[in-house]
Amino acid sequence: KNEVEQSPQNLTAQEGEFITINCSYSVGISALHWLQQHPGGGIVSLFMLSSGKKKHGRLIATINIQEKHSSLHITASHPRDSAVYTCAVTSIQGAQKLVFGQGTRLTINP
Amino acid sequence: KAGVTQTPRYLIKTRGQQVTLSCSPISGHRSVSWYQQTPGQGLQFLFEYFSETQRNKGNFPGRFSGRQFSNSRSEMNVSTLELGDSALYLCASSLLESTEAFFGQGTRLTVV
Repeated sequence: KNEVEQSPQNLTAQEGEFITINCSYSVGISALHWLQQHPGGGIVSLFMLSSGKKKHGRLIATINIQEKHSSLHITASHPRDSAVYTCAVTSIQGAQKLVFGQGTRLTINP
Repeated sequence: KAGVTQTPRYLIKTRGQQVTLSCSPISGHRSVSWYQQTPGQGLQFLFEYFSETQRNKGNFPGRFSGRQFSNSRSEMNVSTLELGDSALYLCASSLLESTEAFFGQGTRLTVV
């Protein structure tokens, strides 16, 4: 079982819809990251969270440390939000800098 | 402020050769980490350097190595290339070991 699990793996929605991507992890962490990667593009760090909630424009990220769960929300989705969104954690137990989820491929249709 | 710069952007090598990739972190950042991204395995951690010392290493064979210079620039080297080493190699820098990571555009390596 992966240490970081995301759902769904693929998500297609219409422009304007509210989007939620979920991330669950099984290890102790010092931080959780949400990353965005457009097709053929590099990786952009959207958020780094250790507790609570962060908001940047139409993007909101929340984390529940007790439940080991985080969500990424996109309000008023737009075709330019189409990308792969990946959750990654900084584990306090292992030697790895970041442990990644498998990513969620989001497609927003106009 | 310039972002993380990786060179070269694209590289084609043949099996058995070796390759060196370079990463220049954001000015002032002292931590550099390297990742491999493949369609099959997704993103995987290679290693992390902080102040010229390797802090962490992922589960990759000894053919993969790296180093960090006093100016925080980092290089990774892959020797005796295999077809399976074809991937996007990403570098990320952060101010300290536990702060937010900023990714470069990556070097796409193709081994033929």
